[in-house]
Amino acid sequence: EAQVTQNPRYLITVTGKKLTVTCSQNMNHEYMSWYRQDPGLGLRQIYYSMNVEVTDKGDVPEGYKVSRKEKRNFPLILESPSPNQTSLYFCASSNDLDDEQFFGPGTRLTVL
Amino acid sequence: QKEVEQDPGPLSVPEGAIVSLNCTYSNSAFQYFMWYRQYSRKGPELLMYTYSSGNKEDGRFTAQVDKSSKYISLFIRDSQPSDSATYLCAMGPNQAGTALIFGKGTTLSVSS
Repeated sequence: EAQVTQNPRYLITVTGKKLTVTCSQNMNHEYMSWYRQDPGLGLRQIYYSMNVEVTDKGDVPEGYKVSRKEKRNFPLILESPSPNQTSLYFCASSNDLDDEQFFGPGTRLTVL
Repeated sequence: QKEVEQDPGPLSVPEGAIVSLNCTYSNSAFQYFMWYRQYSRKGPELLMYTYSSGNKEDGRFTAQVDKSSKYISLFIRDSQPSDSATYLCAMGPNQAGTALIFGKGTTLSVSS
């Protein structure tokens, strides 16, 4: 089954404790991205990757890091999480920029 | 003016009603337009995709794009309780790589 998977689905952590949210897709897509979704603000792109070893900032990159060492994986790293990073996070992938984006199920992160 | 404006609702209609969801945008460079549907606790899923002005129909759903007015619409005929979800408009290309700009979403509730 073609899908984007994210782990964990739910995470409660404390300020400053480094965490990684994993994202994996099995569709051989070139393009992957991370979004955060907040009430009243909608979906905002954090980082994106056009291919292996090629990543760039989206609209709200501060406090986040990503890596793309393999085509299928695109982890999101929060090296020192803060409460304002409490949000619902989605990973997405697509074959090209103007193609349908396939979203993962989401990771709900709470930073205390 | 924000690049994409979408009334967040909520919108409540009885089963069988015709629903109209709308977005306006300011960037005349946008070429492709999408509607995503997001059920509670799920990731967005593509519902409709249009690449130019005009109408596109798929079952009970019709997407309409008016580039001259910078206005897109999604019509749902014979609405069903299963249509209750948040509907996100999206369009692009944005600057290189960020692909899509999303509206904030309209929450629809269809009562039986």
